[in-house]
Amino acid sequence: SQTIHQWPATLVQPVGSPLSLECTVEGTSNPNLYWYRQAAGRGLQLLFYSVGIGQISSEVPQNLSASRPQDRQFILSSKKLLLSDSGFYLCAWGPGTGPGRQQYFGPGTRLTVT
Amino acid sequence: AQTVTQSQPEMSVQEAETVTLSCTYDTSESDYYLFWYKQPPSRQMILVIRQEAYKQQNATENRFSVNFQKAAKSFSLKISDSQLGDAAMYFCAYTQGGSEKLVFGKGTKLTVNP
Repeated sequence: SQTIHQWPATLVQPVGSPLSLECTVEGTSNPNLYWYRQAAGRGLQLLFYSVGIGQISSEVPQNLSASRPQDRQFILSSKKLLLSDSGFYLCAWGPGTGPGRQQYFGPGTRLTVT
Repeated sequence: AQTVTQSQPEMSVQEAETVTLSCTYDTSESDYYLFWYKQPPSRQMILVIRQEAYKQQNATENRFSVNFQKAAKSFSLKISDSQLGDAAMYFCAYTQGGSEKLVFGKGTKLTVNP
């Protein structure tokens, strides 16, 4: 069966520090991968998605970047964190084929920028 | 652009009672899919139910059912025999047919009172 992992689970970082959040998927190949941010009192905002290694699409211009160095690995990064980067970050994967495909979500990372 | 609106930021229901959560969406597409996701306090996003737009029959999953009104672009979730474990944030989401990219509403926080 497929599983999705995210780490770390929680992170407290000072403003201006770098960031690296990792997401890995097991049990499937060539998935579509997604990064979402959930700010307090808001829904999920799609940040990045990837349909293959090295292929990244950005949905919202911001202080963050994403990379996909391996088929089942998706990394969210920042060179210098802002206070506004605080939030709950969710990674998700989808099968990439078939209509009406659902996404499967990881457990998330709570990021607090101080 | 597609939008999803959940007009009820918070709802409450007595245990064993029935509650309906509202969702409206805006799209010019004819082929699309609608989802309800549940996010309990653990923050893990869980798919509750899925509806294909081309199907007139409302989807049902055990105590969860939807009222899909395509002309009105309405997609409400009914929870019957509410249980304490149903307490969570509920998100309505849309995806265009042939795509996986989800557009989420802002969510409804459901409280279940014993």
